[in-house]
Amino acid sequence: KNEVEQSPQNLTAQEGEFITINCSYSVGISALHWLQQHPGGGIVSLFMLSSGKKKHGRLIATINIQEKHSSLHITASHPRDSAVYICAVKSVDSNYQLIWGAGTKLIIKP
Amino acid sequence: GAVVSQHPSWVICKSGTSVKIECRSLDFQATTMFWYRQFPKQSLMLMATSNEGSKATYEQGVEKDKFLINHASLTLSTLTVTSAHPEDSSFYICSAVRTASNSPLHFGNGTRLTVT
Repeated sequence: KNEVEQSPQNLTAQEGEFITINCSYSVGISALHWLQQHPGGGIVSLFMLSSGKKKHGRLIATINIQEKHSSLHITASHPRDSAVYICAVKSVDSNYQLIWGAGTKLIIKP
Repeated sequence: GAVVSQHPSWVICKSGTSVKIECRSLDFQATTMFWYRQFPKQSLMLMATSNEGSKATYEQGVEKDKFLINHASLTLSTLTVTSAHPEDSSFYICSAVRTASNSPLHFGNGTRLTVT
């Protein structure tokens, strides 16, 4: 079993839909990252969380430390949100290294 | 926000040649840089952790003599793929952090290497 599990692996939705991507992990963490990888390969860091909830524009990220679970939500989804969304955690046992989820490929259809 | 510049964005080279990829932090000092490799439809794989002024720490299975990493300054790390082979064709991406604490990650845009 992977230490970081994301679901779903693939998600196709219509423009305007509310999107939720989930991330569960099995290790103790000091931080969790949500990243967005565009089709061209470039990666953008969306959020870094250690507790609670963060919001940036139409994106919301939440984390429940007790349940070892985080969610990334996209409100009013748009075709330009189409990308791979990756969850990565920094273990308490590591200074820098991240444990990566496999990513969720999101396609938003117009 | 912080910017990491990676160059080149794509490169095609012949088998047996060497290719150097640069990763620069443009507006902050990066004590640590990471080099990743990504095969199609797969997750990022950490290759090595590069600390300024010291030898890089390579992940298991990554050949340090093949993938030379130099982090000579707080704003520049380079990855050199030596004696490239077609199986080295991949997407290479770097990221940088400001300090050893819980700093956000900043990624370069990646380099797509094709070895013919």
